Amino acid sequence: EDQVTQSPEALRLQEGESSSLNCSYTVSGLRGLFWYRQDPGKGPEFLFTLYSAGEEKEKERLKATLTKKESFLHITAPKPEDSATYLCAVRSNFGNEKLTFGTGTRLTIIP
Amino acid sequence: EAGVVQSPRYKIIEKKQPVAFWCNPISGHNTLYWYLQNLGQGPELLIRYENEEAVDDSQLPKDRFSAERLKGVDSTLKIQPAELGDSAVYLCASSAGDPDTQYFGPGTRLTVL
Repeated sequence: EDQVTQSPEALRLQEGESSSLNCSYTVSGLRGLFWYRQDPGKGPEFLFTLYSAGEEKEKERLKATLTKKESFLHITAPKPEDSATYLCAVRSNFGNEKLTFGTGTRLTIIP
Repeated sequence: EAGVVQSPRYKIIEKKQPVAFWCNPISGHNTLYWYLQNLGQGPELLIRYENEEAVDDSQLPKDRFSAERLKGVDSTLKIQPAELGDSAVYLCASSAGDPDTQYFGPGTRLTVL
């Protein structure tokens, strides 16, 4: 069974203080690893898809990286508007197209 | 372009009552998903439609949950009867044939008293 573990559960940073969120996964053949952002009272918003170890993708202050066992979401010089819950999900090569999500990291950026 | 629309946004009912949620996907998106999200958890897939066909409903508790997408566009998810443990956010998502890019709606927050 596919499993996704995210850490830390919650993270508070000062504005401008860079850090990383971790997503460890176990999957039978990785089809893709996904990062989503979720604001309170809203649905998840797609950020990145990573397909193979060594792949990196960037969007503004966010950069996602992937290894064979985990993914990191690096946040550089964050701003208060980056405060949200960041969700990681995986899809397996086998079976259906189901996404298996982690429980998320709740990020708070303090001005 | 309008996003995924869901209604109602909030619903409070007493246990054993029926409840229904409605979703209108992004225009042209043939794949529609219903997810359940408990507080502090990630979304869990309940059912996936390709057009009007339910191609994956293995996670749908069929004793009390049902769903339909009659014309391959909008969809309804129903719970009858609702239980206390059904309190959660019900999310709808859609994609245009690429399962790697799903667009989520705002969700319906259900509270069962």
